Amino acid sequence: GAVVSQHPSWVICKSGTSVKIECRSLDFQATTMFWYRQFPKQSLMLMATSNEGSKATYEQGVEKDKFLINHASLTLSTLTVTSAHPEDSSFYICSAAPTPLVHTQYFGPGTRLTVL
Amino acid sequence: DQQVKQNSPSLSVQEGRISILNCDYTNSMFDYFLWYKKYPAEGPTFLISISSIKDKNEDGRFTVFLNKSAKHLSLHIVPSQPGDSAVYFCAARIRTGANNLFFGTGTRLTVIP
Repeated sequence: GAVVSQHPSWVICKSGTSVKIECRSLDFQATTMFWYRQFPKQSLMLMATSNEGSKATYEQGVEKDKFLINHASLTLSTLTVTSAHPEDSSFYICSAAPTPLVHTQYFGPGTRLTVL
Repeated sequence: DQQVKQNSPSLSVQEGRISILNCDYTNSMFDYFLWYKKYPAEGPTFLISISSIKDKNEDGRFTVFLNKSAKHLSLHIVPSQPGDSAVYFCAARIRTGANNLFFGTGTRLTVIP
């Protein structure tokens, strides 16, 4: 089956530093990758959609300068949380879609970010 | 504004019995609905889906029912097995054709052996 990996799975950083999270599709090429954020006991909230080689499309309320997304290849997307603050602490999940069909999104295992 | 709602945060069911997970939505523009299953420390995995033109879709032990007039869908698992214990998310896609999914908050199902 299609596998999506995320690295790191857990990161703790100091306030003011930047953190990069990688999302890779291991056995397929992803035309589109998505980044979600999940707060405790809440639903997954879509942050942005990225297509390889083009700028990411951010959802309303998501700061593009804060959450930098780079979709450099068909198998790799990165999310960089810049100048992280404690309120950025959350669970970040990516998904990758090999086709435009919505049900073919395959999710990564998630990255837990804790900002001290 | 939560457009997809799962009002039961948890559900416990005896092994062999039926599990019914419910989901309500508010946006009539949703045209495709999905259920995902999530184990701890893993990403959600796709389980079953239904188009808005249908009212039922079945796949083995899993059946999804859609009631458009009530803006309600449910996932039935029968018979329930201990391995089904996980968090279940319903999700919906808006009719624009984009891949954006709106997720519910999840229901934690525990199947008791």
